[in-house]
Amino acid sequence: DTAVSQTPKYLVTQMGNDKSIKCEQNLGHDTMYWYKQDSKKFLKIMFSYNNKELIINETVPNRFSPKSPDKAHLNLHINSLELGDSAVYFCASSQDVWGKGEKLFFGSGTQLSVL
Amino acid sequence: EDQVTQSPEALRLQEGESSSLNCSYTVSGLRGLFWYRQDPGKGPEFLFTLYSAGEEKEKERLKATLTKKESFLHITAPKPEDSATYLCAVQAGGATNKLIFGTGTLLAVQP
Repeated sequence: DTAVSQTPKYLVTQMGNDKSIKCEQNLGHDTMYWYKQDSKKFLKIMFSYNNKELIINETVPNRFSPKSPDKAHLNLHINSLELGDSAVYFCASSQDVWGKGEKLFFGSGTQLSVL
Repeated sequence: EDQVTQSPEALRLQEGESSSLNCSYTVSGLRGLFWYRQDPGKGPEFLFTLYSAGEEKEKERLKATLTKKESFLHITAPKPEDSATYLCAVQAGGATNKLIFGTGTLLAVQP
């Protein structure tokens, strides 16, 4: 029973297209995140939602728009895809966003390739 | 600026050959230092959280330690199944649980 699941696993698309990645967690956590991992394995936070409210919004192009319909789901929509958007995108969750030492549970990632 | 640097970038060990991975950090007000393991094609998996200098935690062949400037992940008598990328992250001072990750150490343990 997967704790944090994201779809699709692989996404290959052309420049300029719009695409979405979906994420769901069944851990009962209040907080969900999107992280981007580049080719050098560097993981950088993009967004965080706590109980459907945007809490963390890093310096990310406004082509990226997260949406949280409920606290178990956090989707990522990307408009006008660019070559530089190619990366692995990870969804994660934690019990809350303000706790000290809160550990994150990650999904298995979505590898996005923009051609 | 908060920063995390891991070394070495890659490490190849023979089975049973113990070693250590390093994580150096510069952060304003450390709230926690984390170690995660990442297998190819998977998301990071939580290993340890350390909160203050002098703290140590162990799990099977892994032991994590923390000083005011760095953390070590000691691997004792590693096995091939320990092969993975090990990521260090810090939770800085501030209101939110925003983690700053290092770029990881890719560990390969040969039989």
